[in-house]
Amino acid sequence: GNSVTQMEGPVTLSEEAFLTINCTYTATGYPSLFWYVQYPGEGLQLLLKATKADDKGSNKGFEATYRKETTSFHLEKGSVQVSDSAVYFCALSPSRGNQGGKLIFGQGTELSVKP
Amino acid sequence: NAGVTQTPKFQVLKTGQSMTLQCAQDMNHEYMSWYRQDPGMGLRLIHYSVGAGITDQGEVPNGYNVSRSTTEDFPLRLLSAAPSQTSVYFCASSPGTGLMEQYFGPGTRLTVT
Repeated sequence: GNSVTQMEGPVTLSEEAFLTINCTYTATGYPSLFWYVQYPGEGLQLLLKATKADDKGSNKGFEATYRKETTSFHLEKGSVQVSDSAVYFCALSPSRGNQGGKLIFGQGTELSVKP
Repeated sequence: NAGVTQTPKFQVLKTGQSMTLQCAQDMNHEYMSWYRQDPGMGLRLIHYSVGAGITDQGEVPNGYNVSRSTTEDFPLRLLSAAPSQTSVYFCASSPGTGLMEQYFGPGTRLTVT
């Protein structure tokens, strides 16, 4: 079946440090991959997405590359800020024919950035 | 344009009580869904709808009912609340199925005592 596995948190970094949050997936066919971010007390917001192999999604300094050979979609940022403190979710949408556009989420990784 | 709205923001129920969580969207999206968020488990799909009059079960549907009489509204009903339903509930909508981004509401935090 389809599943998403993220590295466990919490992750604590100092401001301007390099960030990597690992995400691997299991899926049949050609899923789309997403990173969502949840700031404290809020709902989820789409951070970036990639819809086919070797695509790179990017937004707000964050990047992730769809690697089909390693079934991975790791999130990276070169220099984190205190305002990046949030919970990050990796998710997949199964390939075409998916009923209802269901998203399958990883368990989430909490990031805390200290000044 | 309010996006996806949810009410109430917080709710406390006693075991056995019933209630309805409201969700509305003003983006004319066909697809709507309900998720629950529990610590260490990410978000899990409860029910979803691909259009008015059409609903289907997700990963964890037991104890919940839904209906979709209009494009805009997708209420989630708890018929007899249980402590295991203590969670944060998110409603989401999307323009279409498959590869489209989903837009999430702010969530409802439910506690069942």
